[in-house]
Amino acid sequence: GAGVSQSPRYKVAKRGQDVALRCDPISGHVSLFWYQQALGQGPEFLTYFQNEAQLDKSGLPSDRFFAERPEGSVSTLKIQRTQQEDSAVYLCASSWDRAHGIDSNQPQHFGDGTRLSIL
Amino acid sequence: AQKVTQAQTEISVVEKEDVTLDCVYETRDTTYYLFWYKQPPSGELVFLIRRNSFDEQNEISGRYSWNFQKSTSSFNFTITASQVVDSAVYFCALTTGTASKLTFGTGTRLQVTL
Repeated sequence: GAGVSQSPRYKVAKRGQDVALRCDPISGHVSLFWYQQALGQGPEFLTYFQNEAQLDKSGLPSDRFFAERPEGSVSTLKIQRTQQEDSAVYLCASSWDRAHGIDSNQPQHFGDGTRLSIL
Repeated sequence: AQKVTQAQTEISVVEKEDVTLDCVYETRDTTYYLFWYKQPPSGELVFLIRRNSFDEQNEISGRYSWNFQKSTSSFNFTITASQVVDSAVYFCALTTGTASKLTFGTGTRLQVTL
């Protein structure tokens, strides 16, 4: 597709349930990022992949959060035993087109996000 | 540690007014990149500009212009002759060296009315 695609667009879950959020990056983009955006705040970094390797997971708030990108393309962010404070918009971004070579600070292109509400 | 401060929480202007959004950053790295993103009500973050720390030349793109001043650690964004379609939340962000993750400010909500 032309842009970063995230699904579902909205997710409502009861406290304690597990959820899985999907991100389909721009074709050819090597880097993939997950961010969490609370209401009225700027996005905050969660984790970063380069191809299938998770190079930085320093932003994951707890061990209930887990992300994977097994084939270096689609990524899934999983939250186990959800809590009300997990309610936020989860944004995925991709960057670094292989055709343009290595530039770790290429602009990140964002999806529309998944709005997660925990009841 | 790095930090981005957008002191203006919300700005309201009448269409055709000029408006400047302020951004102040903190980093110890000598190599860094600054960004501006626009987030309309639909929620998607739209990339506007990237600037590296070695290029202080100001940039103009249509009605948008950016003023980068290392001496004051600022990267301000001006919209000339604002339009209703400019209404959105604008975020300033920073990456340093090889750390690709973006550090965002808290955003400035711009409301342009007729």
